[in-house]
Amino acid sequence: DIQMTQSPSTLSASVGDRVTITCRASQSISTWLAWYQQKPGKAPKFLIYHVSDLESGVPSRFSGSGSGTEFTLTISSLQPDDFATYYCQQYISYPLTFGGGTKVEIK
Amino acid sequence: QVQLVESGGGVVQPGRSLRLSCAASGFTFTTYGMHWVRRAPGKGLEWVAVVSNDGTKKFYVDSVKGRFTISRDDSKNTVYLQMNSLRPEDTAVYHCAKGPRGSQYFDYWGLGTLVTVSS
Repeated sequence: DIQMTQSPSTLSASVGDRVTITCRASQSISTWLAWYQQKPGKAPKFLIYHVSDLESGVPSRFSGSGSGTEFTLTISSLQPDDFATYYCQQYISYPLTFGGGTKVEIK
Repeated sequence: QVQLVESGGGVVQPGRSLRLSCAASGFTFTTYGMHWVRRAPGKGLEWVAVVSNDGTKKFYVDSVKGRFTISRDDSKNTVYLQMNSLRPEDTAVYHCAKGPRGSQYFDYWGLGTLVTVSS
């Protein structure tokens, strides 16, 4: 199974900050990586697929990069609505696996 | 608009069974694979199972193989998760999720249904 490791597990930031979350795969997943946002009591929201392709309606302050085993999600200017937990997911092979999550909290 | 509504969760004793349902609307159900993903209390997301658009292919995470069965009823636009021999570690919110055509990420999610396995 492919293990996905996110860092940090928690991130404290202020509105307007640039935020970067890292996701590492235990083996190459090429560019088969997606990102999700989840808020308490809500369904996860799909943000990005194929490393860097934004889902329709996702603000352009979100961006993704990387390939192979190392990937990043960047929020260029953190907004109040962005405080949430973020997950990466590989979809190159079964079982599909997620990173452990990064909680972005208010500093 | 795409809607996924889960039902069937509840409190169940270890070793017992439960069947979850996910009613889908707003898209052509038979075109897409459907997944179950869970989140245990205080933990992250864990993919559980997938059924292909035509129902012929099914895959599971190792921890539920032989105990859980995913299925779909295209006449009802519904996907199911039959969960047998439940364990306390199966306690989680179970989300139904839709996959896009030809890929295995999740573009729409349901709110989830809580399953609690406890004596």
